[in-house]
Amino acid sequence: DSGVTQTPKHLITATGQRVTLRCSPRSGDLSVYWYQQSLDQGLQFLIQYYNGEERAKGNILERFSAQQFPDLHSELNLSSLELGDSALYFCASSAHSNGGNTIYFGEGSWLTVV
Amino acid sequence: QQQVKQSPQSLIVQKGGISIINCAYENTAFDYFPWYQQFPGKGPALLIAIRPDVSEKKEGRFTISFNKSAKQFSLHIMDSQPGDSATYFCAASKATDSWGKLQFGAGTQVVVTP
Repeated sequence: DSGVTQTPKHLITATGQRVTLRCSPRSGDLSVYWYQQSLDQGLQFLIQYYNGEERAKGNILERFSAQQFPDLHSELNLSSLELGDSALYFCASSAHSNGGNTIYFGEGSWLTVV
Repeated sequence: QQQVKQSPQSLIVQKGGISIINCAYENTAFDYFPWYQQFPGKGPALLIAIRPDVSEKKEGRFTISFNKSAKQFSLHIMDSQPGDSATYFCAASKATDSWGKLQFGAGTQVVVTP
């Protein structure tokens, strides 16, 4: 168990809908990362937050947004969903702003868009 | 475009054998090269990592070899065990972005036969 908690574990929704994925980082970790894993794109970095502020950004779609709250949990919001958004979304956390030495991944949220 | 290229896509090795996975990168600014192990239904977990100032790092049965001039690095799994059957990902990142902003390879599925 990495200590990173993600909810929900599985989610099925229709095209055009909006969903929110939730992540609780390991106790004491200030950085939260979001990654997308799909068969065609592999593991892709989306975005990082450090202590509530955006720290680094990847190829995150404009339909996607994230935030980190004062209690350090994070949410990834996916809107106007398309079939191609079906993927496994991972949250990860680390103690430091630059990732430090170890980034711990949660078990992911499976999103299926139908 | 994929910044880290990984091969082979899959490999089968007998118990006790050596598994070798290779990765190549283009961006010379990368300064952190981790390997992650992922089991089905789980998130990636850090296995071992190396920085470009060393050519080799060994942790137990796992060894990273790093060739800075060739921009290549590889993972060797010695005395492979059935429990090592998993998907392995190489990755790279740079401190000027965030070490947590990982560029992953496409992954190698390793199957260790009894």
